Amino acid sequence: ETGVTQTPRHLVMGMTNKKSLKCEQHLGHNAMYWYKQSAKKPLELMFVYNFKEQTENNSVPSRFSPECPNSSHLFLHLHTLQPEDSALYLCASSQEGRGGETQYFGPGTRLLVL
Amino acid sequence: GESVGLHLPTLSVQEGDNSIINCAYSNSASDYFIWYKQESGKGPQFIIDIRSNMDKRQGQRVTVLLNKTVKHLSLQIAATQPGDSAVYFCAEILSGTYKYIFGTGTRLKVLA
Repeated sequence: ETGVTQTPRHLVMGMTNKKSLKCEQHLGHNAMYWYKQSAKKPLELMFVYNFKEQTENNSVPSRFSPECPNSSHLFLHLHTLQPEDSALYLCASSQEGRGGETQYFGPGTRLLVL
Repeated sequence: GESVGLHLPTLSVQEGDNSIINCAYSNSASDYFIWYKQESGKGPQFIIDIRSNMDKRQGQRVTVLLNKTVKHLSLQIAATQPGDSAVYFCAEILSGTYKYIFGTGTRLKVLA
């Protein structure tokens, strides 16, 4: 266990649904990240939150909406997704969010969009 | 080595032998590198890291070598065990940024 948990572990949703992914870190870290991992590509950074403030949005479509209520919790709200959004969504955290740090990953949420 | 596409490169190794997994990184300005292990159904797990002021770092049964001249990183696993079977990928980090560049990975299969 890395100290980063994600729920749900698996999610199937239609293109008109709205769902949310949850991430919680128990490491006392100050930075949290969302990544997308699909079979054909390397890990893609989506969002970075540092001390609850969003510091990176890597040109992610607006159908993905992150929320970081505190340094321990991170959400990814999903709405009107496309089938090509099916992937493993990984959450990670790091100590200070200053870049150049080790990131610790959760187990991911496997998302299937029908 | 690294590959972009549907199929990951695969390294098959006999149990007990040493494994060497390679990674070519892209940016000569990157100064921090991490190797991750990802088992089926799990998130990436930190294995070992190295900063650009070093060319070798050893952990428990693992060694990372960095060759900045040719922008090459390798992970050596000694006495490979069945539990080492996983996908391994490297990450290069640009100092002071959040931009981790990940490789697509190499699948390691340990043969009994």
